[in-house]
Amino acid sequence: AQSVTQLDSQVPVFEEAPVELRCNYSSSVSVYLFWYVQYPNQGLQLLLKYLSGSTLVESINGFEAEFNKSQTSFHLRKPSVHISDTAEYFCAVSDGYGGATNKLIFGTGTLLAVQP
Amino acid sequence: AAGVIQSPRHLIKEKRETATLKCYPIPRHDTVYWYQQGPGQDPQFLISFYEKMQSDKGSIPDRFSAQQFSDYHSELNMSSLELGDSALYFCASSSRMDPGEAFFGQGTRLTVV
Repeated sequence: AQSVTQLDSQVPVFEEAPVELRCNYSSSVSVYLFWYVQYPNQGLQLLLKYLSGSTLVESINGFEAEFNKSQTSFHLRKPSVHISDTAEYFCAVSDGYGGATNKLIFGTGTLLAVQP
Repeated sequence: AAGVIQSPRHLIKEKRETATLKCYPIPRHDTVYWYQQGPGQDPQFLISFYEKMQSDKGSIPDRFSAQQFSDYHSELNMSSLELGDSALYFCASSSRMDPGEAFFGQGTRLTVV
């Protein structure tokens, strides 16, 4: 069975500081990995994803994540955060069986709280 | 671009009542997923449909049922509502022709009083 662990329930950080949100997964099969962001009272928005190929993936708003198979990790990083990045971030895994996007297993989420 | 549409956005029901949530996937998407997110919780997978057939089932109570119709929209029916059913219910859709991403709707916030 697949599972996702987000060790940090909340990460406070000052504006313009770097941040890393940690995500570890367990799976016996090849996986697709995702980071979703949820702003207050909003739906889930895909931030970035790893399906195959380059282990470093980037989003359009400066976030990046690196797939590390040996450490079964997919940590999210940003070199300089903004107040507007304050949100809940969910790491998720899908088994990608049959080349399809199957059900997502989510971590418990990390609240990124950016302070001025 | 068209997104996943869920209705209603908000719903208030009393205990033991019935609720129906609707989901309209992105055009040409063949798979629909339902998730439940309790207060302060991560989204939990309930059920999914591929080409109108149930494809996977998660932690969905027996009081809940769902189906996908010929136009690919889906409905989640919830009966004998309990206070603990209060949550945000998300629908997502994806296409097997473009694997690797499920697009989420804005969710339906169900409050059971």
